[in-house]
Amino acid sequence: AQTVTQSQPEMSVQEAETVTLSCTYDTSESDYYLFWYKQPPSRQMILVIRQEAYKQQNATENRFSVNFQKAAKSFSLKISDSQLGDAAMYFCAYRSARNNAGNMLTFGGGTRLMVKP
Amino acid sequence: KAGVTQTPRYLIKTRGQQVTLSCSPISGHRSVSWYQQTPGQGLQFLFEYFSETQRNKGNFPGRFSGRQFSNSRSEMNVSTLELGDSALYLCASGTGLAGGPNEQFFGPGTRLTVL
Repeated sequence: AQTVTQSQPEMSVQEAETVTLSCTYDTSESDYYLFWYKQPPSRQMILVIRQEAYKQQNATENRFSVNFQKAAKSFSLKISDSQLGDAAMYFCAYRSARNNAGNMLTFGGGTRLMVKP
Repeated sequence: KAGVTQTPRYLIKTRGQQVTLSCSPISGHRSVSWYQQTPGQGLQFLFEYFSETQRNKGNFPGRFSGRQFSNSRSEMNVSTLELGDSALYLCASGTGLAGGPNEQFFGPGTRLTVL
């Protein structure tokens, strides 16, 4: 079974600064997908960014980018130019690429990000 | 396109009762997954339905069950409620097709409180 670990329960960043959230995972599979989800106080989960394991290039979405290290099984999220609206819980998630795995996501414990004005 | 809808948004039940939660996926999506979110256990996968068939199941007791209808709407049922079932129940909708990252879209959740 796969596991996902987020070692930082809470992080704090000054507005306009850069912050990096850590995520490590354990799997014996070679093909899979990794995701970062944001859950603001409204509780609506929103996909921030995704990475396919077979792609070496790190994914980027505007101010959000990842550092994907497959050998180290590490998948960190970097938020540049932090904004007050970035304050939320952030979850790292894993999904197997096996055909019979369906859409099942395995989530990490989450990191609460606070943004200071 | 309308997003994923979940009803009801809030629910209060007492121990021993049963409850049914509903999820309507995005139009055209055939996969519906259910997750339980609690402060202690975090986000845990309950089950996934695809084209009216349960495709995957998490490690939950048989009191937790679900089904999916021909219009892809899904319901989950919890019988003989326990205090520990108090949680936010999230539903996620996706195409469910093999291959590709298959982005899933989450609903706003149903907050269940068991007294």
